[in-house]
Amino acid sequence: QMQLVQSGAEVKRSGASVKVSCKALGYMFTSQYIHWVRQAPGQGLEWMGVINPSDGSTSYAQKFRGRVTMTRDTSTRTVYMELTSLRSDDTAMYYCARDLRCSPIRCHYYYAMDVWGQGTTVTVFS
Amino acid sequence: QSVLTQPPSVSGAPGQRVTISCSGSSSNIGAGFDVHWYQRLPGTTPKLLIYGNNNRPSGVPDRFSGSKSGTSASLAISGLQADDEADYHCQSYDNSLSVVFGGGTKLTVL
Repeated sequence: QMQLVQSGAEVKRSGASVKVSCKALGYMFTSQYIHWVRQAPGQGLEWMGVINPSDGSTSYAQKFRGRVTMTRDTSTRTVYMELTSLRSDDTAMYYCARDLRCSPIRCHYYYAMDVWGQGTTVTVFS
Repeated sequence: QSVLTQPPSVSGAPGQRVTISCSGSSSNIGAGFDVHWYQRLPGTTPKLLIYGNNNRPSGVPDRFSGSKSGTSASLAISGLQADDEADYHCQSYDNSLSVVFGGGTKLTVL
């Protein structure tokens, strides 16, 4: 069964950093890109960026450039999302999600997300 | 402020048909990029409902359908059921090289 399993909830002080993990199970880890998406309370879904698990290349949303880093460890089939200089408005549920179509062989443009992690709550207090 | 615009809420009675709109621009939906829809039931993670404008993943009932025209897209739900009550989100891609989402629409089954 294909699934993405994320790390547990985090509570951080304003200004700190958080690193969330996402382990891929049940499919070839390097076959499809993985996105990070967040949803703050009362807000819509917000795209943060994407990583190619095969070579580690990334693309970040402009809003998060300079604060977000996405990495992967092929030996453990895990991708990571680190967000620095946390603020109270970073309080949100963070999801990893697999791209339905984008693979290292072919990626015309980022597409739908067919497998989602269970989400990781990040709470930032001042 | 989301790049794609959705109504905050829609409602309908059981058995009725409802539609949820998703309005974009010439740099995303109007540029020819596909639109996808997600359903988020209370307390759960988003689930892919429609991809590529009008395709249903395996297991999604044919009561759910999608369409796209110009710079907008729509999700239609026919034969409304109580367990369709959820948040619905549209998603596309933008010429700014970003994935874009709508703000989400809360469907209430009366």
